[in-house]
Amino acid sequence: GESVGLHLPTLSVQEGDNSIINCAYSNSASDYFIWYKQESGKGPQFIIDIRSNMDKRQGQRVTVLLNKTVKHLSLQIAATQPGDSAVYFCASKGGYQKVTFGTGTKLQVIP
Amino acid sequence: EAGVTQFPSHSVIEKGQTVTLRCDPISGHDNLYWYRRVMGKEIKFLLHFVKESKQDESGMPNNRFLAERTGGTYSTLKVQPAELEDSGVYFCASSPLQAGGEKLFFGSGTQLSVL
Repeated sequence: GESVGLHLPTLSVQEGDNSIINCAYSNSASDYFIWYKQESGKGPQFIIDIRSNMDKRQGQRVTVLLNKTVKHLSLQIAATQPGDSAVYFCASKGGYQKVTFGTGTKLQVIP
Repeated sequence: EAGVTQFPSHSVIEKGQTVTLRCDPISGHDNLYWYRRVMGKEIKFLLHFVKESKQDESGMPNNRFLAERTGGTYSTLKVQPAELEDSGVYFCASSPLQAGGEKLFFGSGTQLSVL
């Protein structure tokens, strides 16, 4: 079955530095990948997505990289700010399958 | 436009009691999902409605869990009788049926504590 995992449960980053959150997935049939941000007391909120026909997609201060060869996904946050502190979840989906989430990485921004 | 709303935000019950969680999806969203996150673990899929029909309920843990979506609008998730391992945060999410439906909109969740 599908499993989506994160390499680190907690990541501490100095304010202003760049953050990189990594994720591995196991299902080769996955063709859609999403990053969600969950702030305390709130539900996960969509950040950015990427389809399997791409290897990079950029948003505002965020970039998602997809390496299908090694089934690896990463989220890069530029110039990390205190407001970026949250738990970040990667998720994947293949065809008509349900969206499958990872365990989450807690990003702590040090002022 | 109102987002996905869930009620209650918190529920503390004793083992053996019954709890009903409610989710109001974004208006017009035919897809409705229930997910659960047990502390420190992944967000696990429970089930998926398309309108009032259960499309996929493969994630429901056991027959103590009953989800309904009468009329294809709001949904309820009932746990009866609740057990200690049912504690966690229950999230509801919705999305439109048309293209782009993979992007889920989540509610703030219901924190369920079974004592």
